[in-house]
Amino acid sequence: GAGVSQSPSNKVTEKGKDVELRCDPISGHTALYWYRQSLGQGLEFLIYFQGNSAPDKSGLPSDRFSAERTGGSVSTLTIQRTQQEDSAVYLCASRSGSGSYEQYFGPGTRLTVT
Amino acid sequence: GQQLNQSPQSMFIQEGEDVSMNCTSSSIFNTWLWYKQDPGEGPVLLIALYKAGELTSNGRLTAQFGITRKDSFLNISASIPSDVGIYFCAGQLRSQGNLIFGKGTKLSVKP
Repeated sequence: GAGVSQSPSNKVTEKGKDVELRCDPISGHTALYWYRQSLGQGLEFLIYFQGNSAPDKSGLPSDRFSAERTGGSVSTLTIQRTQQEDSAVYLCASRSGSGSYEQYFGPGTRLTVT
Repeated sequence: GQQLNQSPQSMFIQEGEDVSMNCTSSSIFNTWLWYKQDPGEGPVLLIALYKAGELTSNGRLTAQFGITRKDSFLNISASIPSDVGIYFCAGQLRSQGNLIFGKGTKLSVKP
């Protein structure tokens, strides 16, 4: 596809369960980012992958959060033992990495923890 | 952590009015980006700024990268109903790969 895609678009889960959110970046983009957006708030950086380098995990709020990027393309954000405060929209963005700083966002996954 | 102060938080527009919003920071950024987000969607990139003092237009939108590298503004001229939404500024520090976002300016239509 032409843009960043994310799945699922909506996820409702019970407190304590694990969830996996998926991101397919724009083809050829080497950098991939995950952000979290709580209701009415700006975007909070979570994690950043650039090529084959070690990811920048400095934004992950707790060790319940982790992410992988397989084959330099698709990424999965995993939240273990979800809590109600994890409810938010999780946005993925990708960047070409060739001197451009422009990040392009997917539509997001709205996570609701009940 | 780093913060961007974006103002105003919200504003009401009448069709045809010009709109202005801005972001300031205590840190120096090497890139400023402006995004628009519609309900239920991800942010869409409007304008990217790379040089201090740079003034860039995209249709009715004009944005400037402040000369001190610590601020940026976005102007929308002759607003139309589809301009409603939330506008975010975002800055990138030279030393970091991620963007730092303002809290957004919500544009609504005057009742």
